[in-house]
Amino acid sequence: NAGVTQTPKFQVLKTGQSMTLQCAQDMNHEYMSWYRQDPGMGLRLIHYSVGAGITDQGEVPNGYNVSRSTTEDFPLRLLSAAPSQTSVYFCASRRVGAGVSTDTQYFGPGTRLTVL
Amino acid sequence: QQPVQSPQAVILREGEDAVINCSSSKALYSVHWYRQKHGEAPVFLMILLKGGEQKGHDKISASFNEKKQQSSLYLTASQLSYSGTYFCGTEEGVGSNYKLTFGKGTLLTVNP
Repeated sequence: NAGVTQTPKFQVLKTGQSMTLQCAQDMNHEYMSWYRQDPGMGLRLIHYSVGAGITDQGEVPNGYNVSRSTTEDFPLRLLSAAPSQTSVYFCASRRVGAGVSTDTQYFGPGTRLTVL
Repeated sequence: QQPVQSPQAVILREGEDAVINCSSSKALYSVHWYRQKHGEAPVFLMILLKGGEQKGHDKISASFNEKKQQSSLYLTASQLSYSGTYFCGTEEGVGSNYKLTFGKGTLLTVNP
């Protein structure tokens, strides 16, 4: 049981390049989300998904795309990287709808992205 | 809207107590608490639902005042391992699609 895995751990991009951050979970959770964390800003929601084939925008979705073709995977795509997207990105997986006693959100280890 | 956490930072000596507060201007369904150590991912501590329920987790407990839309995290007899940044995440309830909005965090430092 690996929990939530993210790849890569570190990435450096040039302005205008595109890339995909990978996220996978093996807990059969329906709910997955992507956050970015910047110094002093806390965690801000980028996109989330309540199940395969269903995605929606969070607080800061501009410049990012997501898709959810399977329960396990939830990749985040940067379309044309900008220096403002330099951040630490966390993927999270959560069991919802089964009662508060089992409602727990697990975060992946994060991807540290630098855009030059 | 982002919840407001206070204080922004607190320094304790081992064995002392601390309280971290989280306030929202929105009606809340639940409040989540996480701890994050430097360079690591946030780790879930507990969730509280509206109704004033108080929960505990070893020597860490929390309460949720539904009328004031406030939650407090209580750390008693602090240990060195309690050091880290504590975040509250708030959920507005039915129709919010389980979206969590996080505060900016409270940096807790426990010294020997």
